[in-house]
Amino acid sequence: AQSVSQHNHHVILSEAASLELGCNYSYGGTVNLFWYVQYPGQHLQLLLKYFSGDPLVKGIKGFEAEFIKSKFSFNLRKPSVQWSDTAEYFCAVNAPRYIPTFGRGTSLIVHP
Amino acid sequence: EAGVTQFPSHSVIEKGQTVTLRCDPISGHDNLYWYRRVMGKEIKFLLHFVKESKQDESGMPNNRFLAERTGGTYSTLKVQPAELEDSGVYFCASSQDGGGPLTEAFFGQGTRLTVV
Repeated sequence: AQSVSQHNHHVILSEAASLELGCNYSYGGTVNLFWYVQYPGQHLQLLLKYFSGDPLVKGIKGFEAEFIKSKFSFNLRKPSVQWSDTAEYFCAVNAPRYIPTFGRGTSLIVHP
Repeated sequence: EAGVTQFPSHSVIEKGQTVTLRCDPISGHDNLYWYRRVMGKEIKFLLHFVKESKQDESGMPNNRFLAERTGGTYSTLKVQPAELEDSGVYFCASSQDGGGPLTEAFFGQGTRLTVV
């Protein structure tokens, strides 16, 4: 069965620290990959997505993610986090029936 | 453009009662999805509508859950009778263009259901 694993469930950082959130998936076919974010009190929003082409994907608010096919990974990164990045982050795979399948999520707290 | 809206935002009910959640997708979106997140766990797929038809309901936990989408517009998810383990946040999402690989799903704010 398709699954998505997020390794870090809770991350606490200070402002200006670098961020990397891990995501691995188990599907062996062609995949479409997403990172969603849910800010406190708000709905899930798309941060970035990968369908094909350049494996380094840039999203909103300075986030980027790298698709490494050989490692079945799609890690999210940001060089310098801000207090406003405090949120929950979800990795998702749009396979095999184009239905988004989510990981457990990572709660990020950024201290000012 | 209005986004995906869900009603109510919160619901607290007693075990054994019935609750109906509603989702209004973005106008023109054929695909509608229901998800549930139990505290601290993954956002789990429940079912998928294409217009008024149930395309995939493999994630529905049991027959206490009934989803409908009459006329292919809004959808309801009824839990009857509710049990304690049904507590969680129920998300609805919608997407257009037949749900293919380029499709982005847009999510509502969710309904937080607490069964006591």
